[in-house]
Amino acid sequence: ETGVTQSPTHLIKTRGQQVTLRCSSQSGHNTVSWYQQALGQGPQFIFQYYREEENGRGNFPPRFSGLQFPNYSSELNVNALELDDSALYLCASSFIVGTPHEQYFGPGTRLTVT
Amino acid sequence: TQLLEQSPQFLSIQEGENLTVYCNSSSVFSSLQWYRQEPGEGPVLLVTVVTGGEVKKLKRLTFQFGDARKDSSLHITAAQPGDTGLYLCAGMNRDDKIIFGKGTRLHILP
Repeated sequence: ETGVTQSPTHLIKTRGQQVTLRCSSQSGHNTVSWYQQALGQGPQFIFQYYREEENGRGNFPPRFSGLQFPNYSSELNVNALELDDSALYLCASSFIVGTPHEQYFGPGTRLTVT
Repeated sequence: TQLLEQSPQFLSIQEGENLTVYCNSSSVFSSLQWYRQEPGEGPVLLVTVVTGGEVKKLKRLTFQFGDARKDSSLHITAAQPGDTGLYLCAGMNRDDKIIFGKGTRLHILP
């Protein structure tokens, strides 16, 4: 059973650019959630995907968008990058939506916007 | 907006001591989870509590969910350097989405 993987591990972008982050969910899981964790803060929920559809969204602007693929892997896209987007982006996969389901996190992608 | 407040923010104690960290909210959560996160890694789930008043033990760690399901505590007995890390609590809100606290950064001195 493979765990949650994320790529790339680190990324440096310039303000105004666009970025795509990738996540492969743990085998057997059908739900992927994305979180942003700024330095010294807890993770903040961005959105969740279930059956390739967005299934809830946190307080993030539309320039944060995502996709989920038939194999349950997922992408997070951020357009028009801002300096405040610098953070650790975490992906978590789980099996059941709408229950106290257990989420398994990947190691994250550290994004730096200069 | 449902918020989870964790206290203390930072805690540094000697190996062998006991400690308790807290997670409080004015809102009711259907379940609450505790995670530990180490630098450069994602959070690792330690426990999920669902029932008000529930107590769960994981070796030297004891987790309690408040009777009203608004708060939780994590007690560590005889802390060891390997317990060092960021402890995060997370509650599931009315929309079945998980909200995290800012965490307690724990450092155990050998």
